[in-house]
Amino acid sequence: NSKVIQTPRYLVKGQGQKAKMRCIPEKGHPVVFWYQQNKNNEFKFLINFQNQEVLQQIDMTEKRFSAECPSNSPCSLEIQSSEAGDSALYLCASSLEGVSGNTLYFGEGSRLIVV
Amino acid sequence: SQWGEENLQALSIQEGEDVTMNCSYKTYTTVVQWYRQKSGKGPAQLILIRSNEREKRSGRLRATLDTSSQSSSLSITGTLATDTAVYFCAWASSGSWQLIFGSGTQLTVMP
Repeated sequence: NSKVIQTPRYLVKGQGQKAKMRCIPEKGHPVVFWYQQNKNNEFKFLINFQNQEVLQQIDMTEKRFSAECPSNSPCSLEIQSSEAGDSALYLCASSLEGVSGNTLYFGEGSRLIVV
Repeated sequence: SQWGEENLQALSIQEGEDVTMNCSYKTYTTVVQWYRQKSGKGPAQLILIRSNEREKRSGRLRATLDTSSQSSSLSITGTLATDTAVYFCAWASSGSWQLIFGSGTQLTVMP
């Protein structure tokens, strides 16, 4: 059973609406990742954090997407103005260290449907 | 995928058969991970193999890694219906904080 908790499991938004997803990483894991998985099962890396600091993010994230991992609160990913192309499964993962030799533990995802 | 590919997109086999899934990647890495994602769930790591291992086993799973050809494989022996899932290989470029996933192989094991 996943120890990374993502909420909500599903959300339906109209175009232009905000969509916010939350993630509680596994206890003791300082590194948190957000991925977008489309209907073809393709993964797109969005952003990652170590504690509260952004390590790496893609350009898309800098425009309509915002994310944070405040101390003592769930991490969050928010889309300011949803577009149809944002419909996807948003996966949060956490790990002890960097990615090269370490396991990422994923939550079950938040499925966003933009109508 | 821009960064790598898996040779077969979908496989359908009978329970009890063995299966091998392949993965090739275009960026240098010394570690490859294999993940399994069941329907409605997030990916879960199955096995992690390093360049100095060449082969690694875990129960019914066997992974290989050939850094000279930048390829990896995952074999499952004696498949079960519960092995039905999408299987991904994943890797990270040296110094990167981003784990890159291959395009995945949908494995269906029929009882």
